[in-house]
Amino acid sequence: KNEVEQSPQNLTAQEGEFITINCSYSVGISALHWLQQHPGGGIVSLFMLSSGKKKHGRLIATINIQEKHSSLHITASHPRDSAVYICAALLDSNYQLIWGAGTKLIIKP
Amino acid sequence: EAQVTQNPRYLITVTGKKLTVTCSQNMNHEYMSWYRQDPGLGLRQIYYSMNVEVTDKGDVPEGYKVSRKEKRNFPLILESPSPNQTSLYFCASSYWLNTEAFFGQGTRLTVV
Repeated sequence: KNEVEQSPQNLTAQEGEFITINCSYSVGISALHWLQQHPGGGIVSLFMLSSGKKKHGRLIATINIQEKHSSLHITASHPRDSAVYICAALLDSNYQLIWGAGTKLIIKP
Repeated sequence: EAQVTQNPRYLITVTGKKLTVTCSQNMNHEYMSWYRQDPGLGLRQIYYSMNVEVTDKGDVPEGYKVSRKEKRNFPLILESPSPNQTSLYFCASSYWLNTEAFFGQGTRLTVV
């Protein structure tokens, strides 16, 4: 079993829909990253969370450390949100980053 | 503009011919790392560096070398590339491990 699990693996939605991508982990962490990888390959950091909730534009990330779970939400989704979204957990034991496999999101117009 | 610059973006080379992929950041970040990304395997860390002259192995260091002679640069060296090192490579930097990470544009390497 992977230490960081993302779901769903693939998600296709219509423009305007509310999107939720989940990240669960089974180890103790001190922080969790959410990143976006564009179809062209470039990777952009979206959020780094250690507790609570962060918002940037239409993107919201939440984390519940006790439940070992984080979510990334996209409101009013748009085709330009189509990308792979990756979570990565920073272990509190050795500061190693454990990467999720990614969620491929496609937003249809 | 804050950025991590990787070069080259694309590289096709032959087995055994030494190559270097450069990585440079202009944000005075302490932490730099190299990843490779392969289909179905996600991102895997090759090497990382917490400061000048301090480097350590990640998950898949075999066949790679790095150096950190100055804070801004963290080159990845393949002394004798092999076809199983064909991959998409990313350099990343951050002020520290629990701060926002910045990624280079990626280097698509093909070893024939």
